[in-house]
Amino acid sequence: DAGVIQSPRHEVTEMGQEVTLRCKPISGHNSLFWYRQTMMRGLELLIYFNNNVPIDDSGMPEDRFSAKMPNASFSTLKIQPSEPRDSAVYFCASRIPNQPQHFGDGTRLSIL
Amino acid sequence: GNSVTQMEGPVTLSEEAFLTINCTYTATGYPSLFWYVQYPGEGLQLLLKATKADDKGSNKGFEATYRKETTSFHLEKGSVQVSDSAVYFCALRDNYGQNFVFGPGTRLSVLP
Repeated sequence: DAGVIQSPRHEVTEMGQEVTLRCKPISGHNSLFWYRQTMMRGLELLIYFNNNVPIDDSGMPEDRFSAKMPNASFSTLKIQPSEPRDSAVYFCASRIPNQPQHFGDGTRLSIL
Repeated sequence: GNSVTQMEGPVTLSEEAFLTINCTYTATGYPSLFWYVQYPGEGLQLLLKATKADDKGSNKGFEATYRKETTSFHLEKGSVQVSDSAVYFCALRDNYGQNFVFGPGTRLSVLP
């Protein structure tokens, strides 16, 4: 079975550019989570969706960050404009109710 | 609010040594508890879990027992291998089943 699929695996871009990270959850999973991982702050929950609806976005650091889930099989996390401090590994995870989350391999983002 | 505390790393052990990574939590109600492992360059993978007091989760030689009286879920392994080198995250899911809270992670390095 395919796990959570994230793309791209690596992204290097200049500050000020728009960055779009993509996630395909496991088929049948109705909850999707976006996390950011840094050395300084560890793993932080940014936002999560239930049945394509954003439930809690209190972890989104600022208005430059936005996330969408237009359908059950796809979600995006967008940063516009990007800044060097956004450099991190971004993880997507999905699950069905009351079960553990399954994580993708992450997108390593570097903003120069 | 809910929180998870782990022992600070990095932890460096020789092969076949005994491993303990401490984890304590703060939560209302009766959370479920998890250990996730992150190998270099990969996402988090579920290692083991326990859903109620006194439950013992086990997998790949790792064990952890849900101790409600001490609010702990310490990870143990009797004989570590080089391949166990990774970052280990303790996590809880609140009893509403909606959200995970992760600890900061403990990096384990096992030397041959």
